[in-house]
Amino acid sequence: GDKVKQSPSALSLQEGTNSALRCNFSIAATTVQWFLQNPRGSLINLFYLVPGTKENGRLKSAFDSKESYSTLHIRDAQLEDSGTYFCAAPSSNTNKVVFGTGTRLQVLP
Amino acid sequence: GGIITQTPKFLIGQEGQKLTLKCQQNFNHDTMYWYRQDSGKGLRLIYYSITENDLQKGDLSEGYDASREKKSSFSLTVTSAQKNEMAVFLCASSIASSAETLYFGSGTRLTVL
Repeated sequence: GDKVKQSPSALSLQEGTNSALRCNFSIAATTVQWFLQNPRGSLINLFYLVPGTKENGRLKSAFDSKESYSTLHIRDAQLEDSGTYFCAAPSSNTNKVVFGTGTRLQVLP
Repeated sequence: GGIITQTPKFLIGQEGQKLTLKCQQNFNHDTMYWYRQDSGKGLRLIYYSITENDLQKGDLSEGYDASREKKSSFSLTVTSAQKNEMAVFLCASSIASSAETLYFGSGTRLTVL
């Protein structure tokens, strides 16, 4: 099955509202990365996390390695936040970085 | 800052053809990766390399070869293109290992006729 599962798979938000995306791991992840793939296909680094939290503007991410999950919170969603959000984590004891299934976000005016 | 350059941006091939995709990075990163992304789907790892001349298979290596000729470049060969091969191929690099941030190129879109 999927080693890194994201939820929800798709989401529509009104501009100005808040939301949370989740990433669950069935691998023993020690770090996690979050990316946004914009509608043109470019992958943009959002966060690289060890266990704990990080904040950057309207985005905040948390990673709990013991409970094997990570969250990405979006505050005051803007139209340019639309795209697909991926989390990724290294598979234990290898250099393989495994990507999640993605959350497709659409922000509506 | 640095950049990852993938060439070509678009690649059109015939079924059965051998096709090569190239990736260059000037970050001086040790580790480089090739991922495949089918339309509307996530990224799947094809090959990665932790140093020059090293090659490690990912989950999707069958039907592909890779070559890490030097630290800055990592090429991927589709050994015999198939119609279901149509996808975007993404190259990435990181400083040393998977426990570091990945940086991505803009991708090569492959179409097989």
